[in-house]
Amino acid sequence: DSGVTQTPKHLITATGQRVTLRCSPRSGDLSVYWYQQSLDQGLQFLIQYYNGEERAKGNILERFSAQQFPDLHSELNLSSLELGDSALYFCASSTAGTDTQYFGPGTRLTVL
Amino acid sequence: QQQVKQSPQSLIVQKGGISIINCAYENTAFDYFPWYQQFPGKGPALLIAIRPDVSEKKEGRFTISFNKSAKQFSLHIMDSQPGDSATYFCAASRFGGSQGNLIFGKGTKLSVKP
Repeated sequence: DSGVTQTPKHLITATGQRVTLRCSPRSGDLSVYWYQQSLDQGLQFLIQYYNGEERAKGNILERFSAQQFPDLHSELNLSSLELGDSALYFCASSTAGTDTQYFGPGTRLTVL
Repeated sequence: QQQVKQSPQSLIVQKGGISIINCAYENTAFDYFPWYQQFPGKGPALLIAIRPDVSEKKEGRFTISFNKSAKQFSLHIMDSQPGDSATYFCAASRFGGSQGNLIFGKGTKLSVKP
């Protein structure tokens, strides 16, 4: 158990809908990262937050957005969902001054 | 543009054998190279990591070999066990793992036969 929690574990929705994925980092970790894992693209970095501020952006679509709240939990919002958005979404967290990113168990999103 | 290339895609090894997975990178600014292990239905978990100032790092049965001039690094799993059957990802990052996002290879599915 990495200490990173993600909810929900599974999410099934329809095209055009909007969903919110939630992540709670390890206690004390200020950085949160979101990654998407799909069969064709592999593990891809989406976005990073550090203590509430956006720090880095990767291959994140404009339909996707994220935020980190004062209690350090983070939410990833996916809107106007398409079939191709079906994937595993992972959240990771890290502590300043250390290299390790700890991954959560992921949320499996299925868009029908 | 794939910045970290990983091979092979899949690997079958007999119990007790050596598993070797290779990665190559392009960006010389990368300064942190971790290997992650992922079991089905789980998130990736850090296995071992190396910085470019050393050429080898060993932790138990797992060794990273790093060749800075060739921009390559590899994972060696000695005395491979069926419990090692998983997907392995190499990755690279700038500014270390806590300040930069990880760029992952495509993964290697390892099967260790009893």
